Amino acid sequence: SQQGEEDPQALSIQEGENATMNCSYKTSINNLQWYRQNSGRGLVHLILIRSNEREKHSGRLRVTLDTSKKSSSLLITASRAADTASYFCATEGTSGSRLTFGEGTQLTVNP
Amino acid sequence: GAVVSQHPSRVICKSGTSVKIECRSLDFQATTMFWYRQFPKKSLMLMATSNEGSKATYEQGVEKDKFLINHASLTLSTLTVTSAHPEDSSFYICSARPYQGAGNEQFFGPGTRLTVL
Repeated sequence: SQQGEEDPQALSIQEGENATMNCSYKTSINNLQWYRQNSGRGLVHLILIRSNEREKHSGRLRVTLDTSKKSSSLLITASRAADTASYFCATEGTSGSRLTFGEGTQLTVNP
Repeated sequence: GAVVSQHPSRVICKSGTSVKIECRSLDFQATTMFWYRQFPKKSLMLMATSNEGSKATYEQGVEKDKFLINHASLTLSTLTVTSAHPEDSSFYICSARPYQGAGNEQFFGPGTRLTVL
């Protein structure tokens, strides 16, 4: 099965609300990264959290990492309609630079 | 920031033809580039890892004779889909890792939509 599972698969919220997406993985990692993808477009790197870090912030984004549970969460605060996109977590394993992507969460922020 | 381009952005071809997709790092050198495939509403699946000046490393289940990868320089990698068939229709995305990056970040191209008729 694929490393990296995300939930929920789809999330629909109103503008101004917070959105939380979760990611679980199976093997040891060097880091975990979150990406955003607008429909039919490439990926935009949002944030990277290393295995020895527990929390990281970037603007309205907050990422947590719990290596004991092999899970991460992405919180987007005060969401905007422009945040509508698919969000993917990706893990970099300890053996190299290849990334393994989760299934993604489709976020819809309604104006 | 680091920019990766892909060309073409969209291609439609007939079954049996070959299609070449280019991936370029525009403002940095990349020793390693990655090629992914993405089906509609699905995640990215790594196809192969391309290192400059050496043969690509393919993931299990990916036919190397079907998907030819050439990483001729530190700024260019190409993916050629040979004898394309309708089942090869997909969104192909490349990424590049800087030669002297500040971390482990990969920079992604905008993707190429391939449709095989």
